[in-house]
Amino acid sequence: DTEVTQTPKHLVMGMTNKKSLKCEQHMGHRAMYWYKQKAKKPPELMFVYSYEKLSINESVPSRFSPECPNSSLLNLHLHALQPEDSALYLCASSLTSGSPSYEQYFGPGTRLTVT
Amino acid sequence: QKEVEQNSGPLSVPEGAIASLNCTYSDRGSQSFFWYRQYSGKSPELIMSIYSNGDKEDGRFTAQLNKASQYVSLLIRDSQPSDSATYLCAVGNFGNEKLTFGTGTRLTIIP
Repeated sequence: DTEVTQTPKHLVMGMTNKKSLKCEQHMGHRAMYWYKQKAKKPPELMFVYSYEKLSINESVPSRFSPECPNSSLLNLHLHALQPEDSALYLCASSLTSGSPSYEQYFGPGTRLTVT
Repeated sequence: QKEVEQNSGPLSVPEGAIASLNCTYSDRGSQSFFWYRQYSGKSPELIMSIYSNGDKEDGRFTAQLNKASQYVSLLIRDSQPSDSATYLCAVGNFGNEKLTFGTGTRLTIIP
């Protein structure tokens, strides 16, 4: 089973709101990723967690705050977002981040609209 | 700057024919290569991975890798309308947590 789940599927939030996106996998993967994808563009990496530690932050604005409570869960906390942050937010996981076989499996995504 | 290039398409192929999707990459140190299929409004789905030169077959899909030419391709045999999607090529290096994605090729299978 290569299932990554994400909640919610859709989220509409105002620029002053605080919300969180959640991601979960039960494949025993030790690397988890957040991507942002705009229409007709490839996924754009935001953060990588490896063994529950943040290993990559792609210079993402501080209004996005990731958290990895345990090896199965990944959260993305959102605060004071801008309309241009509206996008599909994708979570992915892979067995590890340092192996030659790091196939990444994506969740269904959260469609975020900032009003 | 590591680059992965794909023809954006659209690529139109008759039903039942072979669809050929191509990808070139700039970093000679690349060691892992992936093809993802993405339907409109959905998330990317991993369909093939390849690490060694040559062909790798899985059902109707064949991935081909030529590291000397820095070229990876995906062949879809007996194309079906359900194969209509955007296909993303992704490239990674050993021990590097990041994948570099191409911009994707939009494939349309014509019934």
